[in-house]
Amino acid sequence: EAGVVQSPRYKIIEKKQPVAFWCNPISGHNTLYWYRQNLGQGPELLIRYENEEAVDDSQLPKDRFSAERLKGVDSTLKIQPAELGDSAVYLCASSPDRDFSLDEQFFGPGTRLTVL
Amino acid sequence: DAKTTQPNSMESNEEEPVHLPCNHSTISGTDYIHWYRQLPSQGPEYVIHGLTSNVNNRMASLAIAEDRKSSTLILHRATLRDAAVYYCILAGGTSYGKLTFGQGTILTVHP
Repeated sequence: EAGVVQSPRYKIIEKKQPVAFWCNPISGHNTLYWYRQNLGQGPELLIRYENEEAVDDSQLPKDRFSAERLKGVDSTLKIQPAELGDSAVYLCASSPDRDFSLDEQFFGPGTRLTVL
Repeated sequence: DAKTTQPNSMESNEEEPVHLPCNHSTISGTDYIHWYRQLPSQGPEYVIHGLTSNVNNRMASLAIAEDRKSSTLILHRATLRDAAVYYCILAGGTSYGKLTFGQGTILTVHP
């Protein structure tokens, strides 16, 4: 079974440039997450989708970050314009139908963004 | 969100057991204790979870204190491939979909 696919794996851009990350979740997983992981820290949730609906975007910096999941499958996270502090690893995760006890999320390998 | 406290780092020798502790004194009745680990250059992966009783799976065992204010992840025989950052997270229940990662414990395994 294929895992969560993310592209690109690495991206280097100049500050003030736009950048986009793409994620394809595991087939059949209705819930999709985007996380940001700064160096030496644990991942932080940016946004959570259930199908096409963003059900938790409270941690997404909406002035420069946007995300979409138009058909409830793959998703794109965009930053425009990028700032130096946006350098981090951006992780995508997906999970199957809700289970009250188990919160098992399947993570992709991440996209490492460097802003110069 | 209920928080967890873990040691910053631990070391082990290969083929020896490893006990990774976690304190979660403010755990609520609906919180499940989850453990994830993150291998170098990879995303986190689920290891194990539990509510009150001790749990075993193919990867590890989870020992939960009777008052639920602490837990221990047990790797019975550490291998070099177990070198990773281990995160203890309170999730599930009413906190479903809200994995709050701390800094975790960096486990180093020596050959």
